[in-house]
Amino acid sequence: DGGITQSPKYLFRKEGQNVTLSCEQNLNHDAMYWYRQDPGQGLRLIYYSQIVNDFQKGDIAEGYSVSREKKESFPLTVTSAQKNPTAFYLCASSMRSRLSTNEKLFFGSGTQLSVL
Amino acid sequence: GEDVEQSLFLSVREGDSSVINCTYTDSSSTYLYWYKQEPGAGLQLLTYIFSNMDMKQDQRLTVLLNKKDKHLSLRIADTQTGDSAIYFCAERDDKIIFGKGTRLHILP
Repeated sequence: DGGITQSPKYLFRKEGQNVTLSCEQNLNHDAMYWYRQDPGQGLRLIYYSQIVNDFQKGDIAEGYSVSREKKESFPLTVTSAQKNPTAFYLCASSMRSRLSTNEKLFFGSGTQLSVL
Repeated sequence: GEDVEQSLFLSVREGDSSVINCTYTDSSSTYLYWYKQEPGAGLQLLTYIFSNMDMKQDQRLTVLLNKKDKHLSLRIADTQTGDSAIYFCAERDDKIIFGKGTRLHILP
């Protein structure tokens, strides 16, 4: 079955530690996204990538890093510089589309990151 | 700047209709979306509407778009317990902007 997989489901970070969240898709989508969800805050875009080996900062990129070495994979690293990392992290993918066309996002099931 | 606004909570009795409202600011939005999020899960696309349409119906779901007032609504007929979730409105121009989500609570 085609889909988008995030792992782990739950992750704990110690102070000063970097942690990496995995996101893999087998939908052959060009574009991939990382969102952060806090209660009552909706979704905020961290980073996105529209093609392999290229990515752009979203609205809240500070304290995060990404890579896009393969089309299927878009891992997110939460660095020690992110002082408030506790949140639900959602990865999404879509077919690459021109501006102002229909773009349907497919989401993974999320990773809950907590600080120890 | 671009913004999408929704009320945060809605309570509806089982069997009644639910109406979730959304306003947006970007008049050049081309597509508008409704996503559903169940507890501890990702978002799932429910339906979408192109900006030159004013209504779209899909089984129990009806989307109404008032482009002049930049108002979008999602009506769920015969609301069931399985409809309990957070519903996100989103608009698309050069990127997709999400609202903060409306938590739908079903009363017995």
